[in-house]
Amino acid sequence: DSGVTQTPKHLITATGQRVTLRCSPRSGDLSVYWYQQSLDQGLQFLIQYYNGEERAKGNILERFSAQQFPDLHSELNLSSLELGDSALYFCASGTSVPDTQYFGPGTRLTVL
Amino acid sequence: EDKVVQSPLSLVVHEGDTVTLNCSYEVTNFRSLLWYKQEKKAPTFLFMLTSSGIEKKSGRLSSILDKKELFSILNITATQTGDSAVYLCAVEAKETSGSRLTFGEGTQLTVNP
Repeated sequence: DSGVTQTPKHLITATGQRVTLRCSPRSGDLSVYWYQQSLDQGLQFLIQYYNGEERAKGNILERFSAQQFPDLHSELNLSSLELGDSALYFCASGTSVPDTQYFGPGTRLTVL
Repeated sequence: EDKVVQSPLSLVVHEGDTVTLNCSYEVTNFRSLLWYKQEKKAPTFLFMLTSSGIEKKSGRLSSILDKKELFSILNITATQTGDSAVYLCAVEAKETSGSRLTFGEGTQLTVNP
C-alpha cells in the first residue's frame, strides 16, 4: 500500500458524459501527478500539481482538466467522454525534487 | 520529444536465472531515471538514479545509470516466480517549474518454475 488513495475504483459511463476522479496523496506529499494507462499507449503523463499550482503538462487533452485543492487532494475532470478515453487513470504523489513518485491503485474508466 | 526505449519487450526465463533489462533514453533537461515494477495493479517504485556510475541495490535487484551513453540497466539475480511482472523505466525531465515523466513500453518478464 503506497499511501495514495484514489476513488472510485471503477467507473462505467457513456460517451459524451463527464466524470471526476479523485486522488488523495500520501501524508506530507505536495506533488500530485496524473497518468493515463491504456492498452495501446502504455503509461502517459498527463499533468503535475505542486502545492495547488500546475507545474507541468504532458499529453493532456483539452477535454480534460485537473486541480489540486488546499488540502492537497486532487481531482481530474474528464468531459465529452469518448470510447478511446477508456483506460486506467493513476495518480501519484511525491515530495522533494527530484521526486520519487508513489502510485495510487488507479481508477478504471470504461466508456460505453 | 522525449523518448524512452526498453529492451527486450518480453523475456521468459527459468527460476534461478539472472536477467538484465535495458533502458535507453533521449530527453531534454534530464533529472532522474526511475525503475518501476508493475504487476496487475499500480506501478511500485524500485529505484531512482540521478548520478552516473553509482549502482543502486535492493536485495537481488540492482541498477546502474550511464549518463554519457544515455542508458540504464536493471539486473535481477536468482530470479523467482514472484519477479514475474512488467518492469517500467521512466525518465524524469525538468520543466520550467516542475517535472514530467516519460515511460518506456516496459519489459514483460516471466519467470517459470
